[in-house]
Amino acid sequence: KAGVTQTPRYLIKTRGQQVTLSCSPISGHRSVSWYQQTPGQGLQFLFEYFSETQRNKGNFPGRFSGRQFSNSRSEMNVSTLELGDSALYLCASSLSLSYEQYFGPGTRLTVT
Amino acid sequence: AQTVTQSQPEMSVQEAETVTLSCTYDTSESDYYLFWYKQPPSRQMILVIRQEAYKQQNATENRFSVNFQKAAKSFSLKISDSQLGDAAMYFCAYRRKTGANSKLTFGKGITLSVRP
Repeated sequence: KAGVTQTPRYLIKTRGQQVTLSCSPISGHRSVSWYQQTPGQGLQFLFEYFSETQRNKGNFPGRFSGRQFSNSRSEMNVSTLELGDSALYLCASSLSLSYEQYFGPGTRLTVT
Repeated sequence: AQTVTQSQPEMSVQEAETVTLSCTYDTSESDYYLFWYKQPPSRQMILVIRQEAYKQQNATENRFSVNFQKAAKSFSLKISDSQLGDAAMYFCAYRRKTGANSKLTFGKGITLSVRP
């Protein structure tokens, strides 16, 4: 089975721009979660989707949003980028809510 | 709120030796999952081992085993016969089993180096 894939792998954006990151889960997995990883804050939970509905949400501003499609693929969007949004964004999929999660390789976002 | 604490930021082990990574957590739930994830320099998070809280038996995966002490809320990872490829950052994580807010909560991680 193919693992979790994330595109793009690397991204450089300018402050004020917006960005969309994509995640394709493992086949058969219906839950997708997003995490932000930075050296200072560690791994922080952004949101989790299951059956196209957001089930859990972390403590991030409204500039961070996401969605899930009927094929379980997910996208997250960050609008009005700030320098502090520079991070590794990790996507993880699981069979359902509360099951173990399998991670993708991440998208490295740099905001200049 | 659930919290996960990894108090040792770094550890080092000689190749072929055994090392134990510590983790404590806090929760009011009785049924939950605990995980250890490995993140090598490639940054790919890899699931190492999983423990279900209601199972008394400690989980084992090849050279990796855990010591789960539910009453003490302790969940340590033992790596036997350490190999150079074990060098990575290791994260302990907690996940509530049911209901809302079943997000994965991570500790800050521990950097493990393996000396040849």
